[in-house]
Amino acid sequence: GAGVSQTPSNKVTEKGKYVELRCDPISGHTALYWYRQSLGQGPEFLIYFQGTGAADDSGLPNDRFFAVRPEGSVSTLKIQRTERGDSAVYLCASSREGLAQETQYFGPGTRLLVL
Amino acid sequence: AQSVTQLGSHVSVSEGALVLLRCNYSSSVPPYLFWYVQYPNQGLQLLLKYTSAATLVKGINGFEAEFKKSETSFHLTKPSAHMSDAAEYFCAVSRPENTGNQFYFGTGTSLTVIP
Repeated sequence: GAGVSQTPSNKVTEKGKYVELRCDPISGHTALYWYRQSLGQGPEFLIYFQGTGAADDSGLPNDRFFAVRPEGSVSTLKIQRTERGDSAVYLCASSREGLAQETQYFGPGTRLLVL
Repeated sequence: AQSVTQLGSHVSVSEGALVLLRCNYSSSVPPYLFWYVQYPNQGLQLLLKYTSAATLVKGINGFEAEFKKSETSFHLTKPSAHMSDAAEYFCAVSRPENTGNQFYFGTGTSLTVIP
């Protein structure tokens, strides 16, 4: 079946602008995760959804970052007043139930560049 | 706090030689452990995982890893490197007692295979 998809694959924006990044998880997966990967680093956790609710948003760096998953499937990561430091690859992952031992399936990522 | 250390940000091996990528974790409770591979411009792909069953885990593409609690290690090996193994490799842990189930990633090891 289809894997995790993310759109757009690349996004270039100007400092101060608003951006939305979309994630379409594997069908039937109740758990969805957002990570951010800076150059030369491993992915860092941002937020975890179980169904429609954000079960853990402790990784969001500040209140400019927000994510939603209104119908328990597609999720959107929203970044307000973008800063150059937000430039990174944003990864989405999903797993079947959100259990710790489950494989997380990753999308190809959205590469965000803030000029 | 959970952390993962990958010793060696860059590893070079000759084609046909042994591949050894190191991963150590710090946790008071044995975590679940994962190795992912990332090819250029692609998403993270699971190689193998340890979820408290057999300590020697076999994965895809001829890779395997052994969980050693006494050494808090989960090193990745492959007996004979292929050119196609050139990629970035990430070790990750999740905590069985953590309801968030986020992954904590190491900083990655870039593997170069020399013909």
